[in-house]
Amino acid sequence: LAKTTQPISMDSYEGQEVNITCSHNNIATNDYITWYQQFPSQGPRFIIQGYKTKVTNEVASLFIPADRKSSTLSLPRVSLSDTAVYYCLVGPHGSGNTGKLIFGQGTTLQVKP
Amino acid sequence: NAGVTQTPKFRVLKTGQSMTLLCAQDMNHEYMYWYRQDPGMGLRLIHYSVGEGTTAKGEVPDGYNVSRLKKQNFLLGLESAAPSQTSVYFCASSYSSGTGGNEQFFGPGTRLTVL
Repeated sequence: LAKTTQPISMDSYEGQEVNITCSHNNIATNDYITWYQQFPSQGPRFIIQGYKTKVTNEVASLFIPADRKSSTLSLPRVSLSDTAVYYCLVGPHGSGNTGKLIFGQGTTLQVKP
Repeated sequence: NAGVTQTPKFRVLKTGQSMTLLCAQDMNHEYMYWYRQDPGMGLRLIHYSVGEGTTAKGEVPDGYNVSRLKKQNFLLGLESAAPSQTSVYFCASSYSSGTGGNEQFFGPGTRLTVL
């Protein structure tokens, strides 16, 4: 599976837009990019997933450039409740690589008032 | 639907004791997973199952055993607990492989302390 690199931590203020970038230089043709959010003392929660270009849902947007070697999770107008750890995962559909799931350390986002 | 539930929520063991963590899901998912999360770390995959009656090793399987006798349940066993197994354990499930394109649903976690 593609190795991912994310910043360890980020700070922001309420109302700002936050962009978290994930690098995945060796992404494969059939790999998807998935982001999870984890609040303290809770299990991770799926946020968004994409393959190329831009994906948007009610929570976030995911920007993927043409070469797909990186992706950016964008959180619009963050609030204190968006303080969490954000994980970027890259991998293909299918069962062949299930045993290699890697969440990594993620990016700890601290939103300040 | 309850989603993914885990039992117990907290547990304290003495070194050498054994215990079983239970994970149950009511979404008819094929895949189930057990992770551990240590302070300041990401999640590490212990074992997983791709269907009823199957199990496979993940990244950190040593000291743990699992069973998937029923599709909806995935059990994680510690035969002889060690302090290094102090961690928060998360169970998850998905329709298919969680490596990409298949959302994993996580339980609330079990906080285990081994003295």
